[in-house]
Amino acid sequence: DAKTTQPTSMDCAEGRAANLPCNHSTISGNEYVYWYRQIHSQGPQYIIHGLKNNETNEMASLIITEDRKSSTLILPHATLRDTAVYYCIVRTSGGGADGLTFGKGTHLIIQP
Amino acid sequence: GAVVSQHPSRVICKSGTSVKIECRSLDFQATTMFWYRQFPKQSLMLMATSNEGSKATYEQGVEKDKFLINHASLTLSTLTVTSAHPEDSSFYICSAYLSNGGGNEQFFGPGTRLTVL
Repeated sequence: DAKTTQPTSMDCAEGRAANLPCNHSTISGNEYVYWYRQIHSQGPQYIIHGLKNNETNEMASLIITEDRKSSTLILPHATLRDTAVYYCIVRTSGGGADGLTFGKGTHLIIQP
Repeated sequence: GAVVSQHPSRVICKSGTSVKIECRSLDFQATTMFWYRQFPKQSLMLMATSNEGSKATYEQGVEKDKFLINHASLTLSTLTVTSAHPEDSSFYICSAYLSNGGGNEQFFGPGTRLTVL
């Protein structure tokens, strides 16, 4: 699976949009971009995933650049409960029965 | 939907004892489950893949005789830490794989914090 690079930490004001970047310049054509988050002392939570088109669900939006070498996770109206470590993971969807490789992620802190 | 539970949520044991952690998929069947370990201020590390009805697959550096995994049904996998020592103190997290056609997602349990005295 391709490696990803994320900023170590980010701050965002409550109510504002939180934009979390991820670089995955070595992504292959059959690899998806997945986002998970982990609130302190809890198990990770699936957020969203995509291949090349932008995706949106009830939690977030995922914007993938045309060359697929980077992406941005957008939390449209951040709340204090969105404070967590956010992990960007690139992997093949067909290999879904493989364990996930977590990097260090981005520690997002929502400020009141 | 897609809820995964773990039991216990927290356990404290003496050095040398064995501890069993259960992982259950509550509303779906999972032929494959995964066990991860997370030390303080570090990321999750995959320990092993648990397959229903067959032997688990362990990651490099994980002792299979120390971390016994049993996946006896489509909704239950257990991890037994045998002869636990203080260095085994960690946050153990399981996940269950659900293939729903729209993406191969893993759903995680809430984790079990193990403290070995």
